[in-house]
Amino acid sequence: EAGVVQSPRYKIIEKKQPVAFWCNPISGHNTLYWYLQNLGQGPELLIRYENEEAVDDSQLPKDRFSAERLKGVDSTLKIQPAELGDSAVYLCASSPQRDNEQFFGPGTRLTVL
Amino acid sequence: RKEVEQDPGPFNVPEGATVAFNCTYSNSASQSFFWYRQDCRKEPKLLMSVYSSGNEDGRFTAQLNRASQYISLLIRDSKLSDSATYLCVVVGNFNKFYFGSGTKLNVKP
Repeated sequence: EAGVVQSPRYKIIEKKQPVAFWCNPISGHNTLYWYLQNLGQGPELLIRYENEEAVDDSQLPKDRFSAERLKGVDSTLKIQPAELGDSAVYLCASSPQRDNEQFFGPGTRLTVL
Repeated sequence: RKEVEQDPGPFNVPEGATVAFNCTYSNSASQSFFWYRQDCRKEPKLLMSVYSSGNEDGRFTAQLNRASQYISLLIRDSKLSDSATYLCVVVGNFNKFYFGSGTKLNVKP
């Protein structure tokens, strides 16, 4: 069974540029998460989807971050404009139900110069 | 106060040693708990769930102490391959997952 797929794996951009990340969850997983992980820290939730509905986006910096999950499958996370402090690993995870084990993708390592 | 707190380590232990990590949480209403393992530059992966009655899986034992609001992970007979960062996860209100910052374990030959 294929795992969570994310692309790109690495991205280097200059500050003030836009950037987008894509996630394809495990087939049949209704719940999808986007996390941000800084070096030496644990993942921090940005947004959680139940099917196509964003049920927890309280930690998403909505002035520059946006996300969507059209048709309740794939999801994209966008940052516009990026700032130096956005450099981090962006992890996508999915689970069959909201309080079950989460399966993580390999992440996108973003560097903002 | 953070939802979940862990000693960052590193814990440096010889092969064959027994090592234990604790993780404290602030929300007494938390109902679900997990330990995840994260290798360097890799994604987190579930190691084990933590049940009220405890949980054992081979060399790994997880315990929950609700009165003192902490969970623990015990690793017996450490292997070189156990070297990783161990993340404590507590599920809080509205099924929100809170990850600790992780405890780094180095197992030396």
